[in-house]
Amino acid sequence: NAGVTQTPKFQVLKTGQSMTLQCAQDMNHNSMYWYRQDPGMGLRLIYYSASEGTTDKGEVPNGYNVSRLNKREFSLRLESAAPSQTSVYFCASSTTTTLNTEAFFGQGTRLTVV
Amino acid sequence: KNQVEQSPQSLIILEGKNCTLQCNYTVSPFSNLRWYKQDTGRGPVSLTIMTFSENTKSNGRYTATLDADTKQSSLHITASQLSDSASYICVVSVGGSYIPTFGRGTSLIVHP
Repeated sequence: NAGVTQTPKFQVLKTGQSMTLQCAQDMNHNSMYWYRQDPGMGLRLIYYSASEGTTDKGEVPNGYNVSRLNKREFSLRLESAAPSQTSVYFCASSTTTTLNTEAFFGQGTRLTVV
Repeated sequence: KNQVEQSPQSLIILEGKNCTLQCNYTVSPFSNLRWYKQDTGRGPVSLTIMTFSENTKSNGRYTATLDADTKQSSLHITASQLSDSASYICVVSVGGSYIPTFGRGTSLIVHP
C-alpha cells in the first residue's frame, strides 16, 4: 500500500545548489502533480503531467523543471535553489486530470534553502 | 481572480462535540469542490468531492454541503474525536482548467 512515495523527506540546501525531488506512484495513475505549501497559504500547483510524456506549467513554475521519467515517476528539479523556495513540496497523482477524479498525495518533502 | 476563503482560521473544541467549517469561493465557472484533511506532517487526504448538482455528501462523521447559488460550502464534523485534529482544506476546481484553487485551511484541535 505504498501509494505515492516522495524522497527525500527532508533536505537543506545552500543558495545556488541544485537538487532533484523524486516521486513515484504505484497506482497506475496517468496524471501526476507537484505542489508547494507555504505557511498561511494554500497549496499551489508548480507543474503537472497529464499523461506519460507530457508536462505543463501550473501556477508557480518559475525556478523549477520537471521530468516525467515514465508512468510511475515524476521528478522536480531546482537548478539553483533560492531561499524563496523554502517550502514543503507535495507530489500527487490521479487516474486522469478529469476534474472529478481524486488526487492522492505523498507525505511531502520539507526543503530549507539557507 | 479565483479565490477560496475558509473560516474560521482555527478552531478548538472538546472531544465529542460537533463543529462546522466554512468555505466561500469566487470561482467561475465552477466544476467541483473538495474537502481534504491534512494531518500534521502528512499529505492531504480527500474527504468528499461534490459537483454542481450535489448539495450534500457524507463520509462517515463528515458531511459536506454545497450551495452553488451562494457559492458556499460547509464541512460538518459530528461527535469529534482526537484523531480529527488536523487542517481541513477546501479546494475548488474551475471548468476547463487543470489548476485548482486551494483555501488556506482551517486548523482544528480537538481536546479531550
